[in-house]
Amino acid sequence: DAGITQSPRHKVTETGTPVTLRCHQTENHRYMYWYRQDPGHGLRLIHYSYGVKDTDKGEVSDGYSVSRSKTEDFLLTLESATSSQTSVYFCAISESGTSGYNEQFFGPGTRLTVL
Amino acid sequence: AQSVTQLDSQVPVFEEAPVELRCNYSSSVSVYLFWYVQYPNQGLQLLLKYLSGSTLVKGINGFEAEFNKSQTSFHLRKPSVHISDTAEYFCAVSEGAAGNKLTFGGGTRVLVKP
Repeated sequence: DAGITQSPRHKVTETGTPVTLRCHQTENHRYMYWYRQDPGHGLRLIHYSYGVKDTDKGEVSDGYSVSRSKTEDFLLTLESATSSQTSVYFCAISESGTSGYNEQFFGPGTRLTVL
Repeated sequence: AQSVTQLDSQVPVFEEAPVELRCNYSSSVSVYLFWYVQYPNQGLQLLLKYLSGSTLVKGINGFEAEFNKSQTSFHLRKPSVHISDTAEYFCAVSEGAAGNKLTFGGGTRVLVKP
């Protein structure tokens, strides 16, 4: 299994509070991604990173920010959590995105509940 | 923009019976196509992928899929399912642009019954 960990694995929080989810990899892969999974929608890309301090928005980026200060860590922040952000969040990594295609490997997920 | 439609949200099937999961996509450019499986309370695992070449792709656990460009489809099949195939299956597409971004379908939940 690819070396990807996510923390925390489960979190319950209240509306309006800030929340940060962490993705950590030991593979030294260049690309990192945050997805959310909701019933009927599959996985939708929130943000992704193509290098340290290089990030870009995905399909559902509103209400989320990200940071990547080290190759191995990619943080997802909900500045002020809302109930619509209750979801399962997955981190993924891939080796490169500029030539051909390289498989994305997924972490175990974080289940976030916003009350 | 690319999109992916999985036509069945749930597929019940008896053990040792065949199963087909349907996937259609839309894109204005050439794409790469994937099927992922998610077992309960786990992350996603790649079953198979189509990048180029033969349109019949074989994956892990006895699954295969056929790329049909004219019908913009990438249906997944298994001739004989096991109880352990109970999972959710996701079709995904990438246009291969920088970033390898994936667009997923809504998923098909397969329940294998004894």
